[in-house]
Amino acid sequence: GAVVSQHPSWVICKSGTSVKIECRSLDFQATTMFWYRQFPKQSLMLMATSNEGSKATYEQGVEKDKFLINHASLTLSTLTVTSAHPEDSSFYICSAISGVLMNTEAFFGQGTRLTVV
Amino acid sequence: AQSVTQLDSQVPVFEEAPVELRCNYSSSVSVYLFWYVQYPNQGLQLLLKYLSGSTLVKGINGFEAEFNKSQTSFHLRKPSVHISDTAEYFCAVSPSGSEKLVFGKGTKLTVNP
Repeated sequence: GAVVSQHPSWVICKSGTSVKIECRSLDFQATTMFWYRQFPKQSLMLMATSNEGSKATYEQGVEKDKFLINHASLTLSTLTVTSAHPEDSSFYICSAISGVLMNTEAFFGQGTRLTVV
Repeated sequence: AQSVTQLDSQVPVFEEAPVELRCNYSSSVSVYLFWYVQYPNQGLQLLLKYLSGSTLVKGINGFEAEFNKSQTSFHLRKPSVHISDTAEYFCAVSPSGSEKLVFGKGTKLTVNP
C-alpha cells in the first residue's frame, strides 16, 4: 500500500508557542489530505479536509485560526497549532487519498502526539 | 449524516479463541464500510473494506467481515486470535463517492495467553 509519513511522531511544547506537524505522501500524489484528532480512548474526529492549492475545509467547531492547515503541494500538508494550550494536547493523525488511483482508500500517517506543558 | 456504533468498548479473549467485534451504522444513503486497526501510538491500518458485491469480505491477518444491509451491521470476525492481534479496532463508514470517513469509538481487543 501507499505510505504516508507524519513528522514529528511526538512533540512537547510550552503553552503559548506554536507547533507545526507535517504529513507527507511518499509514493503517491495526494489530492486530498485529512487531519484528525484523537483523544485518549476516543475515536478519531475529523478536523479538516485539505485539497492541494486551496483553502482547507474545517469541520464544525474546529477553530480555523488556531489550527492552520496548508496543503502547498501534492505530497505535503501541514497542520500548525497556534498558541498551544494544555487542552490542545492530543494525538493528531493525517490521512491522504489519491483521487486518481485509489479514491476509496485513505492511507494514514503514524500520528503525532502533542503534549503542551 | 452517518453514524457508527461499536457496541463493545473492550473485548478480552484468550489466545486461539474466536472473536467478533460488532459494528452497526446509520445512514440514509449507500455507504462504503471499513475496519481499521490501530496499534499503540501508531496510525491506522486498513484491515478490510466493503464497497459492493459479495457481502463477505476477507481482509489481512485472517480477519473477515460480513455486510448485512437489513441489520445495518458490519461485524468483524476472526476464527482464532493471536497475542499480536491485541490492538484497537475502528469501524468506519463513508457515503459512497465521498472521501470523508466517520469512525466509531473503537473496540479494544485484548488477547490473553
